[in-house]
Amino acid sequence: AQKVTQAQTEISVVEKEDVTLDCVYETRDTTYYLFWYKQPPSGELVFLIRRNSFDEQNEISGRYSWNFQKSTSSFNFTITASQVVDSAVYFCALSEEGSGGSNYKLTFGKGTLLTVNP
Amino acid sequence: AAGVIQSPRHLIKEKRETATLKCYPIPRHDTVYWYQQGPGQDPQFLISFYEKMQSDKGSIPDRFSAQQFSDYHSELNMSSLELGDSALYFCASSFTSGRWGTGELFFGEGSRLTVL
Repeated sequence: AQKVTQAQTEISVVEKEDVTLDCVYETRDTTYYLFWYKQPPSGELVFLIRRNSFDEQNEISGRYSWNFQKSTSSFNFTITASQVVDSAVYFCALSEEGSGGSNYKLTFGKGTLLTVNP
Repeated sequence: AAGVIQSPRHLIKEKRETATLKCYPIPRHDTVYWYQQGPGQDPQFLISFYEKMQSDKGSIPDRFSAQQFSDYHSELNMSSLELGDSALYFCASSFTSGRWGTGELFFGEGSRLTVL
């Protein structure tokens, strides 16, 4: 069974600090996708990044960066110079192929609540 | 760009009543998913449809049913509502081309159901 573990349930930082959100996953699939979603207090799920299992290159997008390490089954997310607007719940997710064979579904971690204080 | 549209955004029902949620996927997306997120929980997969046929089923109660129509919109029907059904219900859509497609689910803004 697929599993995603986000060990940090809550993190609190002061504005401009860097913060890393951890994600560890388990899967027996050789082909899979990893995702990060942001859920602000308003409730919508905002897509941040998708990474497939064959691409271990780290990625940077503005203040966001992701470190994918297949050897440790981790896909960590770092926010540099955090801002109050970054306050949200962040979910790491893993896709697995659905039983239908032609689609897939996401397994989410429990989420990390990030609070950035001014 | 068009996104996934869900309606209604908020719904309040009494116990034992019935509720219907609607989802309009992004045009040309062939797969629709329903997720349920309880308070303080992570989203849980309920059911999915590929090309209007049910393709996978998760932890969906027997009191719930769903279908995808010819225009690709989907409806989630929930009967005999219980207090525990109070949650945020997300619909997502994706384009599945071949085995893996784009590997991305696009989520709607969610429908918040409150059962009193």
